[in-house]
Amino acid sequence: SAVISQKPSRDICQRGTSLTIQCQVDSQVTMMFWYRQQPGQSLTLIATANQGSEATYESGFVIDKFPISRPNLTFSTLTVSNMSPEDSSIYLCSVRGTGFNSPLHFGNGTRLTVT
Amino acid sequence: QKEVEQNSGPLSVPEGAIASLNCTYSDRGSQSFFWYRQYSGKSPELIMFIYSNGDKEDGRFTAQLNKASQYVSLLIRDSQPSDSATYLCAASTGANNLFFGTGTRLTVIP
Repeated sequence: SAVISQKPSRDICQRGTSLTIQCQVDSQVTMMFWYRQQPGQSLTLIATANQGSEATYESGFVIDKFPISRPNLTFSTLTVSNMSPEDSSIYLCSVRGTGFNSPLHFGNGTRLTVT
Repeated sequence: QKEVEQNSGPLSVPEGAIASLNCTYSDRGSQSFFWYRQYSGKSPELIMFIYSNGDKEDGRFTAQLNKASQYVSLLIRDSQPSDSATYLCAASTGANNLFFGTGTRLTVIP
């Protein structure tokens, strides 16, 4: 399975600032997925990042708040903009192999606390 | 709407017992199903997946799928304290993203 490196692993940020999370994969992948896991909750998909096109956002998430870059087949960034305490979550980068029965593999996640 | 439902628990079992984790899904178009284990403060890690009706065994773990009942389960035999974690069920309708349940917290009591 792919090795996914995500950084930073954790951060404490002030309200109103922005944080960019980086995700590096050790192999080329078509789609990368960004999930959010709020405290005590399950995983919610923020967006799917495709190389060479704009990210596809899920209902409730918008590009102005969570801009995503995907400059090549091994790298993506997610920015959490104009943060509020409600953005305190774990943010997870993930990739999936081809085929309907391919599992998602996750990076180690970024634990974000907004004060 | 694609929904995956799990009993949030907590589920407590004594060491050596069988832990049974259950999951239902609403989208009949779901084709494959995944069980992940998540330790506190860590990211989810894949335990196993299943896409055919019946049972699939991998070591102490058995996944069971019943598409007619839209039901997926995970059995953990000879439960160990190290199995204490949150178990996430996920379903997929194709090659894109997975839809996750809220997870069941399992505690194995020594």
